[in-house]
Amino acid sequence: ETGVTQTPRHLVMGMTNKKSLKCEQHLGHNAMYWYKQSAKKPLELMFVYNFKEQTENNSVPSRFSPECPNSSHLFLHLHTLQPEDSALYLCASSQHRESGANVLTFGAGSRLTVL
Amino acid sequence: GQNIDQPTEMTATEGAIVQINCTYQTSGFNGLFWYQQHAGEAPTFLSYNVLDGLEEKGRFSSFLSRSKGYSYLLLKELQMKDSASYLCAVMDSNYQLIWGAGTKLIIKP
Repeated sequence: ETGVTQTPRHLVMGMTNKKSLKCEQHLGHNAMYWYKQSAKKPLELMFVYNFKEQTENNSVPSRFSPECPNSSHLFLHLHTLQPEDSALYLCASSQHRESGANVLTFGAGSRLTVL
Repeated sequence: GQNIDQPTEMTATEGAIVQINCTYQTSGFNGLFWYQQHAGEAPTFLSYNVLDGLEEKGRFSSFLSRSKGYSYLLLKELQMKDSASYLCAVMDSNYQLIWGAGTKLIIKP
């Protein structure tokens, strides 16, 4: 399978639940990203991993916890979320982190609803 | 602060031409990207401009003027499948991508 695959595509959870989002890429890319997409707002970068090392955490609340066990897999662990965390969570990968022509390949996203 | 502006929504007719504008104010510049995102799908890369001028790729063209902080995406011979959101993003001097909120393009028959 090629491209970036995200599971699950849809997730509904209560504020006290613990769940995880999974992302997998088979493109041989070295950088992986988590973005939050809310309606009519710019994409918000949450976390960046470059060669499996976390290089950025853009002031994301601790209720979101990323994990990158290897260069092909990325997880976003969720716990005690708030209703305002409801959004589309996009995973992306790219060949290199610091490069001008840094084209991102995105997954289709995980639509999260927090009740 | 850093900012990308693009229209929220545009409507065009099948077969026509539409131009989606993007203006930016960023700390440095390492290129400008356009992505297409159909509803419920992944954003997909359309174009990358780092030098001034027009880049043409089939029915789609992208223009950049660095001195004006301005770009546009030109779509010709519009098809119904071009109905999507178009995202403009600029890479700043720290290789951070600054995103616009996207332009929803509606194509009418």
